[in-house]
Amino acid sequence: AQKVTQAQTEISVVEKEDVTLDCVYETRDTTYYLFWYKQPPSGELVFLIRRNSFDEQNEISGRYSWNFQKSTSSFNFTITASQVVDSAVYFCALRNAGNNRKLIWGLGTSLAVNP
Amino acid sequence: DAGVTQSPTHLIKTRGQQVTLRCSPKSGHDTVSWYQQALGQGPQFIFQYYEEEERQRGNFPDRFSGHQYPNYSSELNVNALLLGDSALYLCASSLVVGNTGELFFGEGSRLTVL
Repeated sequence: AQKVTQAQTEISVVEKEDVTLDCVYETRDTTYYLFWYKQPPSGELVFLIRRNSFDEQNEISGRYSWNFQKSTSSFNFTITASQVVDSAVYFCALRNAGNNRKLIWGLGTSLAVNP
Repeated sequence: DAGVTQSPTHLIKTRGQQVTLRCSPKSGHDTVSWYQQALGQGPQFIFQYYEEEERQRGNFPDRFSGHQYPNYSSELNVNALLLGDSALYLCASSLVVGNTGELFFGEGSRLTVL
């Protein structure tokens, strides 16, 4: 079975705080891809990152960083020095290698960054 | 470079009616996927079109149907609308060849069924 769990439904932080969004996944495949998307109030899902299962190197992009750990089936997302514009719902998603068409989504974490 | 565009952005229908939603993929993309996102939920996969054919389908009834045109644009049709069909409908485009699964989404069509 494939499943993505985002245990944190809502997070509220004050601007400039660091915040980590958790993502735990389940899959029987050895090759798969993990994604993070941001959904601001406008509704559009914005692609943030894709990680291959065979590449466990962590990635940093500006204030964003991702920690991929296969041993714990987790793909956590950290925002450093959060800003009000980071307020959005963040989704973690999974796609297996043999399936080019369907993403399995978590329920999302709603992040509110307060001034 | 135009991204994914969807129309209409908002619409209101009554139970039993039919609705058609439209999507133009990102320039150069040949594959269109449709997702339904209920309030407070993650997107649910409806189906995907490539080469004008439905290639894969999620767990949605036959009331949900689609079409893809030669220019890669797509339509989602929902017949006999139910209250539970109220949701944000998202269109996503991608490339099949060399595609590692990255989807580009439109802003969605918010459907309210009364």
